[in-house]
Amino acid sequence: AQTVTQSQPEMSVQEAETVTLSCTYDTSESDYYLFWYKQPPSRQMILVIRQEAYKQQNATENRFSVNFQKAAKSFSLKISDSQLGDAAMYFCAYRSPMNRDDKIIFGKGTRLHILP
Amino acid sequence: DTGVSQNPRHKITKRGQNVTFRCDPISEHNRLYWYRQTLGQGPEFLTYFQNEAQLEKSRLLSDRFSAERPKGSFSTLEIQRTEQGDSAMYLCASSLARASGLSYNEQFFGPGTRLTVL
Repeated sequence: AQTVTQSQPEMSVQEAETVTLSCTYDTSESDYYLFWYKQPPSRQMILVIRQEAYKQQNATENRFSVNFQKAAKSFSLKISDSQLGDAAMYFCAYRSPMNRDDKIIFGKGTRLHILP
Repeated sequence: DTGVSQNPRHKITKRGQNVTFRCDPISEHNRLYWYRQTLGQGPEFLTYFQNEAQLEKSRLLSDRFSAERPKGSFSTLEIQRTEQGDSAMYLCASSLARASGLSYNEQFFGPGTRLTVL
């Protein structure tokens, strides 16, 4: 069974600075999807960034980028130029590529605080 | 274009009562998912539907839980004889899955229903 581990329950970063959230996962599959989701307080979960395991190039979405290390099964999220609106719970997540096995496996999350 | 909606947003009930939650997916989305999120944890998969068919159920979905999607549109999740351990946020998500191949289909989440069992 696949597992996702986030070892940082909370992190803080100064506004405008850069922060990196860590995630490791375990799987025996060779192809899969990895995600970072953001869950602001009392608001719904939104997808921040997606990485396909077969792609060597790290995904980037504006201020958000990932460092995908497939051999090490590591998938970290870097947030550049942190903004107050980035304060939220961030979940690392995994999904099998099989269309039928369509469930997302989430880590426990990292609460990110942005200090003004 | 409205997103996924869930009702009610909050539910407080006494132990032993039955509760039912509703999820309305994004229009035209053929897949609908239920997840449970307890305090301090990430969401855990419960079940999902493709149209009316329930394709997968987690072992977390005990026999007190039942989910339906009778017309392939909205879905209900019922919990019978609630227990204090059922207190959680129940999240619904929907996606549009293509008929062929290993295509990616993004899951869009609703705001959740927070259940408190006293």
